[in-house]
Amino acid sequence: NAGVTQTPKFRILKIGQSMTLQCTQDMNHNYMYWYRQDPGMGLKLIYYSVGAGITDKGEVPNGYNVSRSTTEDFPLRLELAAPSQTSVYFCASRSGGQGAKNIQYFGAGTRLSVL
Amino acid sequence: GIQVEQSPPDLILQEGANSTLRCNFSDSVNNLQWFHQNPWGQLINLFYIPSGTKQNGRLSATTVATERYSLLYISSSQTTDSGVYFCAVSYNTDKLIFGTGTRLQVFP
Repeated sequence: NAGVTQTPKFRILKIGQSMTLQCTQDMNHNYMYWYRQDPGMGLKLIYYSVGAGITDKGEVPNGYNVSRSTTEDFPLRLELAAPSQTSVYFCASRSGGQGAKNIQYFGAGTRLSVL
Repeated sequence: GIQVEQSPPDLILQEGANSTLRCNFSDSVNNLQWFHQNPWGQLINLFYIPSGTKQNGRLSATTVATERYSLLYISSSQTTDSGVYFCAVSYNTDKLIFGTGTRLQVFP
């Protein structure tokens, strides 16, 4: 079982470059999330999606874009990379519904440095 | 929005010791989860526990929603328990709010 897969694992960008962080899940989950984790901090929600074609902003959406054309994939786009976007990015998913279906499953993360 | 505070921020234990980690939250919640982030960065859900008590092996958790706190108990700690423990909460929304975590180091 692959679960939630993120690529790449590491990336170094120059200021002003763009890139897409990939996230795919094979659990047929409706809900998907993108978080960032700065050193010594908890996770902050960037964007989330409750199903294909539906996305919404989280706490820290500025500088990012997302799309959800399929249930499996939820890419995160950085258009003009800035040093403030240096962070570890996590993708997560859950099935939807109540109770234990709230449990989120995380990918291994993408460590991004913008220099 | 909801504020989440975790204590202690750091904890150092010898193998075999017990510990209690605390999560306080500032408003009503109906979703509370505990996560473990291992030293390699992987996040694993430990408990979904908006209220009540649950146990899973050496770990157990209790949430007293009316008093706005949750506790995570680790008994007979092992070196593999090392890492950061996060509490995350929400109320009628998908937007989980994470605390800043408790960093646990267990030495043999």
